[in-house]
Amino acid sequence: NAGVTQTPKFQVLKTGQSMTLQCAQDMNHEYMSWYRQDPGMGLRLIHYSVGAGITDQGEVPNGYNVSRSTTEDFPLRLLSAAPSQTSVYFCASSYTGTQRNNEQFFGPGTRLTVL
Amino acid sequence: SQQGEEDPQALSIQEGENATMNCSYKTSINNLQWYRQNSGRGLVHLILIRSNEREKHSGRLRVTLDTSKKSSSLLITASRAADTASYFCATGPRGSARQLTFGSGTQLTVLP
Repeated sequence: NAGVTQTPKFQVLKTGQSMTLQCAQDMNHEYMSWYRQDPGMGLRLIHYSVGAGITDQGEVPNGYNVSRSTTEDFPLRLLSAAPSQTSVYFCASSYTGTQRNNEQFFGPGTRLTVL
Repeated sequence: SQQGEEDPQALSIQEGENATMNCSYKTSINNLQWYRQNSGRGLVHLILIRSNEREKHSGRLRVTLDTSKKSSSLLITASRAADTASYFCATGPRGSARQLTFGSGTQLTVLP
């Protein structure tokens, strides 16, 4: 299994540009989420999904959109990039259900710079 | 806002010594997890402790949880240079166990 994969690894955008960060997992996990990591602040939850067709907002959702059309994929869209969105973005997935561990599996991250 | 706060922010020890990191949080939790992040990499799950547990072991790792003080500690025994990494605690709140809130992390350096 490839686990959680993210593309691209690095991206530079200009202010106002849009782009989509890709995330895919091959573990048949129902739960997927996006975090951003800024220096000295740990990870903050942007959006999450508990299954195909279901998404919800996390702590810092403004400026980002998500959709979940399949179990495997959970793309994150930046509608109009701003310098404040310069960060490292991590996608994660896990099982749901009370009988399963809540352990989350993380992708390698996308380092985004907005000029 | 940060739910979990780690202490210390940075820790430097010699190989073979034990490393202890602490985490405090603010609200009721379903579980508390510890993750490791090597430089430039994604996070790797280390251990999970549920709110009704007080102590858990996994290899050289020992985690304790005190829900009355809203705190947890991670002990790494007999540290190795390969343990050099950032360590994060993450809390899963009641009713939303997977919506993790991360602390700002402890940077551990193990000197050979």
